[in-house]
Amino acid sequence: SAVISQKPSRDICQRGTSLTIQCQVDSQVTMMFWYRQQPGQSLTLIATANQGSEATYESGFVIDKFPISRPNLTFSTLTVSNMSPEDSSIYLCSARRGVGTGELFFGEGSRLTVL
Amino acid sequence: DQQVKQNSPSLSVQEGRISILNCDYTNSMFDYFLWYKKYPAEGPTFLISISSIKDKNEDGRFTVFLNKSAKHLSLHIVPSQPGDSAVYFCAASGGETSGSRLTFGEGTQLTVNP
Repeated sequence: SAVISQKPSRDICQRGTSLTIQCQVDSQVTMMFWYRQQPGQSLTLIATANQGSEATYESGFVIDKFPISRPNLTFSTLTVSNMSPEDSSIYLCSARRGVGTGELFFGEGSRLTVL
Repeated sequence: DQQVKQNSPSLSVQEGRISILNCDYTNSMFDYFLWYKKYPAEGPTFLISISSIKDKNEDGRFTVFLNKSAKHLSLHIVPSQPGDSAVYFCAASGGETSGSRLTFGEGTQLTVNP
């Protein structure tokens, strides 16, 4: 397994501001992903964080709104830019050791509330 | 387009009885399925998985059944314990364009009553 730490665990933000969430894995992993879970909904993949290159975004998510970095095999950041109340959500970092199918390990999530 | 659906948002069972959580999918390219459990204020944790070459996988009290022709899978927990109370997510992956991404269902809140 892998232990994934996220910070902040929660925050209350003002409309129009940006917040960066950090994700640290305790060992090297091949794949890292960022998910969002809006209230009462499923986990939705935002993007795959690629080491040393631009993230791969899913339909409906763009780099200007959710810039992602992954400078090495154990660390990634997600920024939620120019926040609005609709961005209030739990943001989850996840990782997988291999490139194929298999279980994902998740961080505890970062709960953002935008006023 | 919800490719993985869990039609029951909640389920309540008595301790010691069987819990059955259901999941349906629409994408025939999915070939690997997982169940995750999530407690409040925690990230999802992996529970059990099944490949499309199997129709059953068992791990202790947890068994996952896969019916490919019906595009349906289910998670059986027996006997259910109060500590099993959590949200359970079904997830699927597979297909050339999906890479190793998982598609999740909406989740089912399981409550096991003492």
